[in-house]
Amino acid sequence: EAGVTQFPSHSVIEKGQTVTLRCDPISGHDNLYWYRRVMGKEIKFLLHFVKESKQDESGMPNNRFLAERTGGTYSTLKVQPAELEDSGVYFCASSLGGVVQGTDTQYFGPGTRLTVL
Amino acid sequence: GQQVMQIPQYQHVQEGEDFTTYCNSSTTLSNIQWYKQRPGGHPVFLIQLVKSGEVKKQKRLTFQFGEAKKNSSLHITATQTTDVGTYFCAGRRGDYKLSFGAGTTVTVRA
Repeated sequence: EAGVTQFPSHSVIEKGQTVTLRCDPISGHDNLYWYRRVMGKEIKFLLHFVKESKQDESGMPNNRFLAERTGGTYSTLKVQPAELEDSGVYFCASSLGGVVQGTDTQYFGPGTRLTVL
Repeated sequence: GQQVMQIPQYQHVQEGEDFTTYCNSSTTLSNIQWYKQRPGGHPVFLIQLVKSGEVKKQKRLTFQFGEAKKNSSLHITATQTTDVGTYFCAGRRGDYKLSFGAGTTVTVRA
């Protein structure tokens, strides 16, 4: 079974540019999450999709970040315009759902390392 | 918001020795998960603890969940070079999102 995949693995952009990250969850997983790890800090939750709906976007830093999951399959996270403090590793995770809320396992993708210069 | 504190941040261990990493939450957790991230890799799920006072073992790894469901620990016995990496705890409070500790980065000297 294929795991969570993310593209690109690395992205280097200049401040003010736009970047779009993509996540393909494990097939059949309704739940999709975005997390971010800024250098030297803990991994932080950004948002959670259940199928195509945003269930919780309380972790999104500001309105420069836009996540979508059209069709309930893959998801994109767009940063526009990018700022220096957006640099970090963006992880996507997915889980099957359908069990007692908050007990299913989240499987993480390899992450996208974003560097904003 | 919910905070999960994890210590130590770094653990340098002699091969064959034991060590423990600890996580403490400011609020009661519904469950806690542990992940391991190898250098250059991504977090890989190790285990989930749900019940108060729960103890689970995976070979040389022992995971505990506190009675008050606010703290957890991971104890590794007879450390091997394959144990190198960063160990994260991640707590949940009745919903899906994970609140991660800062991680304990383990290095092993042979």
